[in-house]
Order: sequence, then C-alpha cells, then structure tokens
Amino acid sequence: QSVLTQPPSASGTPGQRVTISCSGSSSNIGSNYVYWYQQLPGTAPKLLIYRNNQRPSGVPDRFSGSKSGSSASLAISGLRSEDEADYFCAAWDVSLSRVFGGGTKLTVL
Amino acid sequence: QVQLQESGPGLVKPSGTLSLTCAVSGGSISSSNWWSWVRQPPGKGLEWIGEIYHSGSTNYNPSLKSRVTISVDKSKNQFSLKLSSVTAADTAVYYCARVVVQDLASWFDPWGQGTLVTVSS
Repeated sequence: QSVLTQPPSASGTPGQRVTISCSGSSSNIGSNYVYWYQQLPGTAPKLLIYRNNQRPSGVPDRFSGSKSGSSASLAISGLRSEDEADYFCAAWDVSLSRVFGGGTKLTVL
Repeated sequence: QVQLQESGPGLVKPSGTLSLTCAVSGGSISSSNWWSWVRQPPGKGLEWIGEIYHSGSTNYNPSLKSRVTISVDKSKNQFSLKLSSVTAADTAVYYCARVVVQDLASWFDPWGQGTLVTVSS
C-alpha cells in the first residue's frame, strides 16, 4: 500500500493529452514539493519533473506538472509511442521518509 | 556526468544479510548531495530504503530502519547497503541514486541501472 495514490493505468492515442493524478495528504504533498519519474520498460527510473512543475534539461515541454493542495498531476500532451512507460510521483513526508505513488502504467493505443 | 553502478550478490538465503555497493563515478561522493537506496519488487512500485551524507549522517525508512545499515567509503567513492534478516518479501531490484538537494527541495537524479536480488534457499 503506497502512501501516495495513483491510478494503476492510463491510456491515450498518439497526439492526445493525458493526465495522471497523484493524491497524498497534508503530511507529504500538502507541505512539500512533488516529483515525477518515468520508467521505460526494463530500465531504471528517470527524473521527469522536480519542484512540482520544473523540467530537467532534455525533458520535452510536452511534459508538465502541477500541484494543488494535497494532490498533483502530470500532463503529457502530443502523446507519442515512446511515452509508453510507468510513471511514479514522489514527495517527502513529515515522518522523515521519502514516499512514492504506486505507479501508473501508461499505454499508447 | 555522475554515474552510479550497483554491485553485489544476486542471491541471498532467507534470514541472511543482503549486501550491496554503489560505485560513484564522474563526481565526488563528498559533494553536497545525499546518496540513497530505492528498491522495486518485481512488477511493483518503488520503495525508498534510506540515504547517507558523506559525513555519515543517515535517514532510513521507518518501516525498514531496524534492519538497514547504509555506510559510505569516501576513499573508494562508494556507499553500501546492508539489509539483515531478509525474507522472500525483500526480493527486488535495488537501485542506488544520488539525491540532489536545492533549498527545501530534493530529488533522485541520476539512478543506477539497478541490480536484482533474489531471496531464496
């Protein structure tokens, strides 16, 4: 049981815009930054979004993050086949622990 | 750029101790970053295990704290994980990662490629 809650799956067709939600509490998302990681099949996770909505260099601007209260969202616009991956949200929790969402498997139809 | 590489036994017996090392290249482990371990059971999500600063300060996941020890070897530019009293539930891909810290924010980047550790007799 993950501390942060994500839908187990999401899907979209090429060119579409999809969003993935991440729900937490005042102990984590509500009081700290949210981060997003992309895990392509068979590979290690990779930083996608930091500080709620900042993109590292090299991450396309098709990816965007937002946060409101104790929830956050990752949006992917202009969906491409190479975006098919698992996406994880993460945050720091006041219990002095880093916590993750259970992950969302994105399928590009 | 900084790269991390995990190494260690791929098979550990139940009740034994899992030991892994993460070698850091392209940068110093004594930089202003923390160094962390994260695991992922097959087909499941990510779980943070703990982290260490080059001074030796540590933070551990409260659910694993009684079994985890993370240490750093500055002379070899590497850090290590020991997890005791393992069971099948500890079977997972273990990743090491650098924790970048900026003001009140901190995130994992980059990650090592991961190493699968199976707990079985």
